[in-house]
Amino acid sequence: AQTVTQSQPEMSVQEAETVTLSCTYDTSESDYYLFWYKQPPSRQMILVIRQEAYKQQNATENRFSVNFQKAAKSFSLKISDSQLGDAAMYFCAYRTEFTGNQFYFGTGTSLTVIP
Amino acid sequence: DSGVTQTPKHLITATGQRVTLRCSPRSGDLSVYWYQQSLDQGLQFLIQYYNGEERAKGNILERFSAQQFPDLHSELNLSSLELGDSALYFCASSGRGTTPEQYFGPGTRLTVT
Repeated sequence: AQTVTQSQPEMSVQEAETVTLSCTYDTSESDYYLFWYKQPPSRQMILVIRQEAYKQQNATENRFSVNFQKAAKSFSLKISDSQLGDAAMYFCAYRTEFTGNQFYFGTGTSLTVIP
Repeated sequence: DSGVTQTPKHLITATGQRVTLRCSPRSGDLSVYWYQQSLDQGLQFLIQYYNGEERAKGNILERFSAQQFPDLHSELNLSSLELGDSALYFCASSGRGTTPEQYFGPGTRLTVT
């Protein structure tokens, strides 16, 4: 079974600085999707960014970008110009292309933004 | 607004009782997923349905069951409730067109007293 590992339970960043959240995964598949979700204090789960495994180009959404290293099975999230509203729990997720489109989530990284 | 709706938003009940949580997926999404999230915990995958059929099971207790109806809405039934079942229960849907991501509902906050 696929596993997703987030080795940083907590991270902090100064406002306006850049922070990188780490995620690794284990799979034998060649086609899959990776995601980062944000869960602010409201506890709503919000999609931040998506990466298709077949794409070599790293996904970018405004201040959020990823560093996707397929061979290393690594998928980190970079947040630039951090804002107070970025404070949240961040979950890395993997979706299989086969076997029923199952999703696997990491345990999350709690990000604190320091004013 | 993700397009996924969940009712009720809050539920308070006593131990030993049974409750039903309801989820309506985004229009056209065939897959529905249920998750449990206890306070300060990660997401625990419970079960997945695809077009009415059970597709995958996670750490779902025998006291819990779910189903997906022909109109694609889903219900999660929790019975013989215990204090430890108090949690936020999320429903998510996926599968429409070229959007592989899951969209989450706002969750149902269950408190067992």
